[in-house]
Amino acid sequence: AQTVTQSQPEMSVQEAETVTLSCTYDTSESNYYLFWYKQPPSRQMILVIRQEAYKQQNATENRFSVNFQKAAKSFSLKISDSQLGDTAMYFCAFMKSLNRDDKIIFGKGTRLHILP
Amino acid sequence: KAGVTQTPRYLIKTRGQQVTLSCSPISGHRSVSWYQQTPGQGLQFLFEYFSETQRNKGNFPGRFSGRQFSNSRSEMNVSTLELGDSALYLCASSGAANSPLHFGNGTRLTVT
Repeated sequence: AQTVTQSQPEMSVQEAETVTLSCTYDTSESNYYLFWYKQPPSRQMILVIRQEAYKQQNATENRFSVNFQKAAKSFSLKISDSQLGDTAMYFCAFMKSLNRDDKIIFGKGTRLHILP
Repeated sequence: KAGVTQTPRYLIKTRGQQVTLSCSPISGHRSVSWYQQTPGQGLQFLFEYFSETQRNKGNFPGRFSGRQFSNSRSEMNVSTLELGDSALYLCASSGAANSPLHFGNGTRLTVT
């Protein structure tokens, strides 16, 4: 069975700093999808970034980028030039495929505080 | 385009009661999935519906059930509520096969 582990329950960084959130996963699949979701205090889950395992290039979305290490089964999220609005819970998630017959599996989340 | 709408936002029930939560997906989305979020367990998958059929189910007792209507709106029902059912319940919808999940703001259920 697939598992997703986020080893940092909570983190705090100063505004404008760079922060990296860790995520490791376990799977025997060779192709799959990884996600980072953000849940701000409004509670709405927002997709931050997505990575297909067959793509070697790390995904990037503006200030958000990932370091995808397939052999190590690691999928960390880097937030550059952090902003107060980045304060949120961040969930790492795994799916075998985007076929909706497959379940998405979430890590327990990392609570990120951006300090002024 | 309106986002995923969940009602109600807050709910307080007592043990033994039952509760029904509602989720309206983004227009055109046919897949709706439900998740339970608690501080201890994080996000856990409950079930997923597509075209009124349950396609996938998580490891929750039979007290948790759901359904989907022809307009893709979905309801989740929890019977014989227990204190441990207190959680944020999130609904997500998705469109085409390769599209990501879009989440609603959730329903905060408190069981006393």
